[in-house]
Amino acid sequence: EDQVTQSPEALRLQEGESSSLNCSYTVSGLRGLFWYRQDPGKGPEFLFTLYSAGEEKEKERLKATLTKKESFLHITAPKPEDSATYLCAVLPSGGSNYKLTFGKGTLLTVNP
Amino acid sequence: DAGVIQSPRHEVTEMGQEVTLRCKPISGHDYLFWYRQTMMRGLELLIYFNNNVPIDDSGMPEDRFSAKMPNASFSTLKIQPSEPRDSAVYFCASSRGRSETQYFGPGTRLLVL
Repeated sequence: EDQVTQSPEALRLQEGESSSLNCSYTVSGLRGLFWYRQDPGKGPEFLFTLYSAGEEKEKERLKATLTKKESFLHITAPKPEDSATYLCAVLPSGGSNYKLTFGKGTLLTVNP
Repeated sequence: DAGVIQSPRHEVTEMGQEVTLRCKPISGHDYLFWYRQTMMRGLELLIYFNNNVPIDDSGMPEDRFSAKMPNASFSTLKIQPSEPRDSAVYFCASSRGRSETQYFGPGTRLLVL
């Protein structure tokens, strides 16, 4: 069974204090790993897709990286508006399984 | 282009009542997904459709849950009868292709009393 574990569950940072969120996964084969951002009362908002180990993608203060067993979401010099829950999900490869498995998320709070 | 549209945004009902949630996917997307989100279990896939045909409903918790997609622009998730443990946020998502990014709607917050 595919599993996704995100850590920490919650992270509190001061504005400008860089850090990383972790997403560890167990899947028979990886078709893609997705990062989403979710604000309170809203649906998940797509950030990145990573397909192979070594791949990196960046968007503003966020950079996502991928290894064979985990992904990191690096946040550089965060601002209060980066506060949200960040969700990681994996899509397995092979067969006819096209179901995303989500982690429970990391709640990020950035204080001014 | 408009995103995924869901209605109602909030629903409060009493145990035993029928609840119908509605979703309009992004135009041109051929996959539609229904998820449920709770604090305990996170986001869980309930069922997904391809070209209006249900492909995998193994996540549907019980026979009380049913989903339909009569055409490419409309889907419903029905709970009958509803129970307090069904209280959650229900999301609809759509994608263009089975391995492509899923785009989520704003969700329906369901409270069953």
